[in-house]
Amino acid sequence: DTEVTQTPKHLVMGMTNKKSLKCEQHMGHRAMYWYKQKAKKPPELMFVYSYEKLSINESVPSRFSPECPNSSLLNLHLHALQPEDSALYLCASSQEGFNQPQHFGDGTRLSIL
Amino acid sequence: DQQVKQNSPSLSVQEGRISILNCDYTNSMFDYFLWYKKYPAEGPTFLISISSIKDKNEDGRFTVFLNKSAKHLSLHIVPSQPGDSAVYFCAAGNSGNTPLVFGKGTRLSVIA
Repeated sequence: DTEVTQTPKHLVMGMTNKKSLKCEQHMGHRAMYWYKQKAKKPPELMFVYSYEKLSINESVPSRFSPECPNSSLLNLHLHALQPEDSALYLCASSQEGFNQPQHFGDGTRLSIL
Repeated sequence: DQQVKQNSPSLSVQEGRISILNCDYTNSMFDYFLWYKKYPAEGPTFLISISSIKDKNEDGRFTVFLNKSAKHLSLHIVPSQPGDSAVYFCAAGNSGNTPLVFGKGTRLSVIA
């Protein structure tokens, strides 16, 4: 069982829809991450939150909007996505600092029609 | 520009034998290295890590070796088991402000 829970597991949406991906962890981790992974590629970092503040945005288009309501929750709000945004979206958490192992959820498989 | 390279996309090993997965990096600022295992339809699972002050770290059947001068690390699994069949990602970072960089992964198949 993963200690990082992501919902939903699968999401199909049209290009005009608005939806949100959710991530939750109860390990007391203060850093949380969103990654995007395409088939046969490594995870690509999108955002990093540290102590509930956005610390890194890897030049992600504004149609992706992260939110960290509290230390256990991380959301990714989606609006006006493109077909090329179809991918596996992974959430991870870790103790503070990049020299700590990150624990991943099982991801949300997103398909844009 | 790939900072972390896993040059073997796949590897097949007989059950009970040793599996050796390799990873090369180019950024000399990396001082922390990890291996993750990923099964289909699951997120990556952390396996083992090593900091640059060490050249070896062992955890059960898994050992990671780091050769800083060659900018090379390897993961040894011995003995290999069919349940080890998965994609293995190497990742590197540093204790400063640099997030983890992942390699492209190596698919390990352990044949019974």
